[in-house]
Amino acid sequence: EPEVTQTPSHQVTQMGQEVILRCVPISNHLYFYWYRQILGQKVEFLVSFYNNEISEKSEIFDDQFSVERPDGSNFTLKIRSTKLEDSAMYFCASSRDGTGWGELFFGEGSRLTVL
Amino acid sequence: GESVGLHLPTLSVQEGDNSIINCAYSNSASDYFIWYKQESGKGPQFIIDIRSNMDKRQGQRVTVLLNKTVKHLSLQIAATQPGDSAVYFCAETEAGGTSYGKLTFGQGTILTVHP
Repeated sequence: EPEVTQTPSHQVTQMGQEVILRCVPISNHLYFYWYRQILGQKVEFLVSFYNNEISEKSEIFDDQFSVERPDGSNFTLKIRSTKLEDSAMYFCASSRDGTGWGELFFGEGSRLTVL
Repeated sequence: GESVGLHLPTLSVQEGDNSIINCAYSNSASDYFIWYKQESGKGPQFIIDIRSNMDKRQGQRVTVLLNKTVKHLSLQIAATQPGDSAVYFCAETEAGGTSYGKLTFGQGTILTVHP
């Protein structure tokens, strides 16, 4: 069964450092998303991406965040200067249908720990 | 702001019992609702969805009920098994709008199934 894969599974970084989280969405999907989950809290939407541009972003997704699809398979989330409060599990998701009705397939997440 | 929330944070049942997990939502514009299961260390996994033009939908051992009058959603799991133990999240979106996969998740209910 096709799946969304994410790397790294866990990254520890110092405050102020740049971090890049990588995702390989399901191959025939065209819509990509990043969500995050702070420990013990609910999953929160960060950004959606289609046709090489951001479709929608939340208030969490400020100027320190950026997304990119550098090639035909990868989808990345960059945090420019990490803060302690960026510590969370980051989930990538993809969907074939971007109208909102279709199922989102989530990866297993990348845990980011900022010290 | 608009939010999705759960009445019960934990639910403990015996194997073979039926489980009911509840969710309240406040965004009257939401027209698509999804239940996700999240096992420890994994990403959310789609269980079942329902559109606002329906009030009931059944899957394999699961049923989702939607009451738009009181903005309430429930997930019923029949013959609960130990493998059903996980955190269950409801999520909602304005699929008929321009949400582009922006899901609003509830806080989650921890389901524990005892053998």
